[in-house]
Amino acid sequence: DGGITQSPKYLFRKEGQNVTLSCEQNLNHDAMYWYRQDPGQGLRLIYYSQIVNDFQKGDIAEGYSVSREKKESFPLTVTSAQKNPTAFYLCASSLTAPGVDVLTFGAGSRLTVL
Amino acid sequence: AQSVTQLDSHVSVSEGTPVLLRCNYSSSYSPSLFWYVQHPNKGLQLLLKYTSAATLVKGINGFEAEFKKSETSFHLTKPSAHMSDAAEYFCVVRRFSGGYNKLIFGAGTRLAVHP
Repeated sequence: DGGITQSPKYLFRKEGQNVTLSCEQNLNHDAMYWYRQDPGQGLRLIYYSQIVNDFQKGDIAEGYSVSREKKESFPLTVTSAQKNPTAFYLCASSLTAPGVDVLTFGAGSRLTVL
Repeated sequence: AQSVTQLDSHVSVSEGTPVLLRCNYSSSYSPSLFWYVQHPNKGLQLLLKYTSAATLVKGINGFEAEFKKSETSFHLTKPSAHMSDAAEYFCVVRRFSGGYNKLIFGAGTRLAVHP
């Protein structure tokens, strides 16, 4: 079955450590996204990528980094510069044809900073 | 600028009674609007999408939403709630910016369904 796989599902980090969240899709989608979800705030866009080797900052990119070396993969690194990293992180993908705007989401990764 | 406001952060209904989740939007032109559902610790799933073809949009699991331009609303309804409907629901508007379709999410409405 096609879909998006995020790992790990749960992750604990000490302050000052970088962590990388994995996102893999087998939907042959060109575009991939990372969102952060906090209670009562909906989803906020961190980074997005429309093609391989290209990505753009979203609304809250500070303290995060991404890479897009393969079409299937879009890992997110939460760096020590992110002041409040505890959150639920969601990866999504979509086609990029004109008028296509429906996202497919992964099951999410919950990051807790100790 | 486009935005969405979900008028209720929590809604509680009894099983078998109607569901109404309210959403108002702001947009400078005819918008594309969506409702997504999220079950606990899961990703989001598309319920339905409005793209100006018809004002009443039918989605999965018996949900539907009506686009009312005069009221700038896109409320989500279901005639009879089921226990499995308990989840968080997000109203979303699309904004096209920089060659990219950006989705603006509302803050979410948590639906509780009681026996």
